[in-house]
Amino acid sequence: DQQVKQNSPSLSVQEGRISILNCDYTNSMFDYFLWYKKYPAEGPTFLISISSIKDKNEDGRFTVFLNKSAKHLSLHIVPSQPGDSAVYFCAASVGGNEKLTFGTGTRLTIIP
Amino acid sequence: NAGVMQNPRHLVRRRGQEARLRCSPMKGHSHVYWYRQLPEEGLKFMVYLQKENIIDESGMPKERFSAEFPKEGPSILRIQQVVRGDSAAYFCASSSRGYEAFFGQGTRLTVV
Repeated sequence: DQQVKQNSPSLSVQEGRISILNCDYTNSMFDYFLWYKKYPAEGPTFLISISSIKDKNEDGRFTVFLNKSAKHLSLHIVPSQPGDSAVYFCAASVGGNEKLTFGTGTRLTIIP
Repeated sequence: NAGVMQNPRHLVRRRGQEARLRCSPMKGHSHVYWYRQLPEEGLKFMVYLQKENIIDESGMPKERFSAEFPKEGPSILRIQQVVRGDSAAYFCASSSRGYEAFFGQGTRLTVV
């Protein structure tokens, strides 16, 4: 039972344009959401998070949007840079940072 | 401030042998989490530990797998009598209570 879904296994975006990565979840108990970035042979690196009491959180080039009624969140990266090429994982939890449930990831490729 | 340290980075075991994976959390972190990533899948939660206590082991297979986080020393994930299906990347993360978890670079276990 995949409670966190990333339906796009891959995404290619031109450098300088906006990258939009999507994530859907089924468990209505989730109240904390995170995005991680992962390079090959490395561990995931925390990017940005959002609590269910908010619908938007912004940090530099990264913005996460949360639509609770649709059980959907998205990560916007603008402008996209070549160093953003990586696998992005959406994760969710109940009540905090413990026991994260991860999606299967989206491989983002930024085309120079 | 060193990050989360995992060793070894790569581990090869024959079927039936034991695998011991080590994780040293970031300085000041008392919460440790283990995740497993199978090929082409997202990270799956295995166990959450605090010093000398297992808080949540709901993601651990019932047999052959065990984890500990002693008062002194690293956290250990132990897999007895390994089988081919145990081949995966095992990631450790650590956090302070209420803050984002930081991941190590992972241990890639190959069972031959």
